[in-house]
Amino acid sequence: GQNIDQPTEMTATEGAIVQINCTYQTSGFNGLFWYQQHAGEAPTFLSYNVLDGLEEKGRFSSFLSRSKGYSYLLLKELQMKDSASYLCAVYSGGYQKVTFGTGTKLQVIP
Amino acid sequence: GAVVSQHPSRVICKSGTSVKIECRSLDFQATTMFWYRQFPKQSLMLMATSNEGSKATYEQGVEKDKFLINHASLTLSTLTVTSAHPEDSSFYICSARKSTDSNQPQHFGDGTRLSIL
Repeated sequence: GQNIDQPTEMTATEGAIVQINCTYQTSGFNGLFWYQQHAGEAPTFLSYNVLDGLEEKGRFSSFLSRSKGYSYLLLKELQMKDSASYLCAVYSGGYQKVTFGTGTKLQVIP
Repeated sequence: GAVVSQHPSRVICKSGTSVKIECRSLDFQATTMFWYRQFPKQSLMLMATSNEGSKATYEQGVEKDKFLINHASLTLSTLTVTSAHPEDSSFYICSARKSTDSNQPQHFGDGTRLSIL
């Protein structure tokens, strides 16, 4: 089966850097998505990693290690509007579908 | 960018009513659309994969006779919750992926908040 783990909640200070980790186990791994979801809204796409390494996109960066089954999302220069849930999702070719983790609720405080 | 439209955004109805939710890809063709359900403070749970022109693939534990899916064109999939009961109250979200590349991200509709009284 598939297993995706990420912390339930995190708190960080405005202007700081926060790293949200995600570990996964699956068969036929194709890639890993990160989505942001504000309360009561649908998820919005942040990043998609297929190869090992770090991909930077503005204040957000995402890292993947396929051999370790590990990814992280790095948020820099945190803003209050970054308070949201961050969903790690794995695309498995073996299952031909995207499976979401339980999400990490990030609270940014002044 | 890719846009997915979902309608209605909110439904409140009596127990026993059937409710239809539409999901449209506005600027791209999607042979595959996905239907998710999200209960409060939980993550998205895939209910079914909707394939244009063929039967939907349901996840284990999802009743296909209760959650009817029709994917009649490359831009439209519908989910009908038949004889809805209070336990069906949830946030239903559809997503679609561009047909040509399975590694492209899924783009989500805005979701439908269903409340059954």
